[in-house]
Amino acid sequence: GESVGLHLPTLSVQEGDNSIINCAYSNSASDYFIWYKQESGKGPQFIIDIRSNMDKRQGQRVTVLLNKTVKHLSLQIAATQPGDSAVYFCAEPSGGTSYGKLTFGQGTILTVHP
Amino acid sequence: GAVVSQHPSWVICKSGTSVKIECRSLDFQATTMFWYRQFPKQSLMLMATSNEGSKATYEQGVEKDKFLINHASLTLSTLTVTSAHPEDSSFYICSARPNYSNQPQHFGDGTRLSIL
Repeated sequence: GESVGLHLPTLSVQEGDNSIINCAYSNSASDYFIWYKQESGKGPQFIIDIRSNMDKRQGQRVTVLLNKTVKHLSLQIAATQPGDSAVYFCAEPSGGTSYGKLTFGQGTILTVHP
Repeated sequence: GAVVSQHPSWVICKSGTSVKIECRSLDFQATTMFWYRQFPKQSLMLMATSNEGSKATYEQGVEKDKFLINHASLTLSTLTVTSAHPEDSSFYICSARPNYSNQPQHFGDGTRLSIL
């Protein structure tokens, strides 16, 4: 979803657990999504992206799942580490390109406890 | 590679002051850069798209006379918050889109602006 003055939801996990962060979108024509990680006091960092012709994409310790039927995507982080603590955003570039202007989702604060 | 630098990283100034924030792409050229604003515990909101050699495109509700954008070279865009007031206090983040590349935008580390 898109953020309009909402405060971010939070997720707390223990080190070593798997984390799942969710994102909903409203436009059924959306065909490209990016997940970003934002550490405190810094700008967003690219994590992984996915196009609508895929249901799943894997990276290093991260997996993104896309369910077009319910317009939902998730970011799964395996064996979560304290360094994963950050705010995670899904984002959609305009025009379905990798470089269009971004609309960010609400974001989720992930806290990993040692 | 693909580093975007913002300066200053933190600025505190009095109400009524104008503040300039710089966004530089250090190792690539960027015809297009973007400016975002982020309030505490909230998401990033796009303010404007900065285009080298032409006028910026502002998002709905963003005052172009309040937030002046200049993109005079392929590696530098500036955002000037004119006559800043406490409600302008926020985290301002820029991003740059590499020319001739399908890479996603690269973000700077933001500028925290506090208006007293």
